[in-house]
Amino acid sequence: SQQGEEDPQALSIQEGENATMNCSYKTSINNLQWYRQNSGRGLVHLILIRSNEREKHSGRLRVTLDTSKKSSSLLITASRAADTASYFCEGIGGSNYKLTFGKGTLLTVNP
Amino acid sequence: GAGVSQSPSNKVTEKGKDVELRCDPISGHTALYWYRQSLGQGLEFLIYFQGNSAPDKSGLPSDRFSAERTGGSVSTLTIQRTQQEDSAVYLCASSLVAVDQPQHFGDGTRLSIL
Repeated sequence: SQQGEEDPQALSIQEGENATMNCSYKTSINNLQWYRQNSGRGLVHLILIRSNEREKHSGRLRVTLDTSKKSSSLLITASRAADTASYFCEGIGGSNYKLTFGKGTLLTVNP
Repeated sequence: GAGVSQSPSNKVTEKGKDVELRCDPISGHTALYWYRQSLGQGLEFLIYFQGNSAPDKSGLPSDRFSAERTGGSVSTLTIQRTQQEDSAVYLCASSLVAVDQPQHFGDGTRLSIL
């Protein structure tokens, strides 16, 4: 079953605006990772946040994790047309190290 | 060094045929994963290899699917008696050691069953 569920499913913004995507999961996790996927390509790892962390930054990316609400958010600041892609969260945890991705958020940044 | 390499990049075959998909992980990565992505969907976990341990096959959708990893490096995913619902992009990833390391993905094999 899918553990990560991204929201919204699609997001369209103008270049320069910020984009926020959310991810919810159902069971406990050890860490949560965010990936991006350009059309027809493999996934590229963006950032990993561990269960004992609340916020993490990497360049224009900011990820938060709220384990009490079982949710995470990815914020992309000052978006660029090149940020257009699908973004997926992946929760890893449990005794079986289940690896599950949501269906992703399709972000379109209009120039 | 080179990234994760998958072959073929595209495969078209008739229903009922067997197919073999290959994944060459990044050198030194002990963990290897297979996923399936149907059109417009997220990734579906199939199988995970970690070192010499027995693989976690819990995600394989049926007994027509099997995977091997020889010598702790190259992996092949085999689908027997393919069905149209097997059409998808099959993605392979590897990571340095453990499950909680960033995964590096190949570009996938796009499988089309006619």
